[in-house]
Amino acid sequence: EDQVTQSPEALRLQEGESSSLNCSYTVSGLRGLFWYRQDPGKGPEFLFTLYSAGEEKEKERLKATLTKKESFLHITAPKPEDSATYLCAVMTTDSWGKLQFGAGTQVVVTP
Amino acid sequence: SAVISQKPSRDICQRGTSLTIQCQVDSQVTMMFWYRQQPGQSLTLIATANQGSEATYESGFVIDKFPISRPNLTFSTLTVSNMSPEDSSIYLCSVTLRGGSTETQYFGPGTRLLVL
Repeated sequence: EDQVTQSPEALRLQEGESSSLNCSYTVSGLRGLFWYRQDPGKGPEFLFTLYSAGEEKEKERLKATLTKKESFLHITAPKPEDSATYLCAVMTTDSWGKLQFGAGTQVVVTP
Repeated sequence: SAVISQKPSRDICQRGTSLTIQCQVDSQVTMMFWYRQQPGQSLTLIATANQGSEATYESGFVIDKFPISRPNLTFSTLTVSNMSPEDSSIYLCSVTLRGGSTETQYFGPGTRLLVL
């Protein structure tokens, strides 16, 4: 059975305090791993798609990496506006377009 | 990219009634997806809406409870039927755009449903 697990559930950071979020997955065949940001009351905002082990992608203070078993979302020198829930999801090779989500990590960045 | 709109943005409904949620995309897409996000939970896929054919439902979701229409390549509706308080959730539609060998999946803003 495919599984996606995110840790920690919640993370409280001081502004400027870098940290990493983890997304571990067990799937039959990975088509892609997706990262989203979700603000309260809004739909998920697309951040990255990663496809193969060793791949990295960056956007502003966020950097996503992928191994064969997990993905990390690194937040470098976060600002209060980075506060959100970060979701990872997997798309498998036999279910194109369908995403299976992890439970998310709620990040709070305080000034 | 894709811009997705949903109507209504939120609603409060009485038990036993039905609500139809609309999803409009600014480009033509083959498949549209409907997700549910229960309070404090992550997203769960309800069904895939294919243009020209019946929707395909995930385990635990049935057509009688969540009928879906897909009349064209830019529009879909999801109906939540015979609602109970357990149906209180955010309902989101999404589309996957393929560019070469890559995919990006976009989500609408969601419809917040409260059932009393």
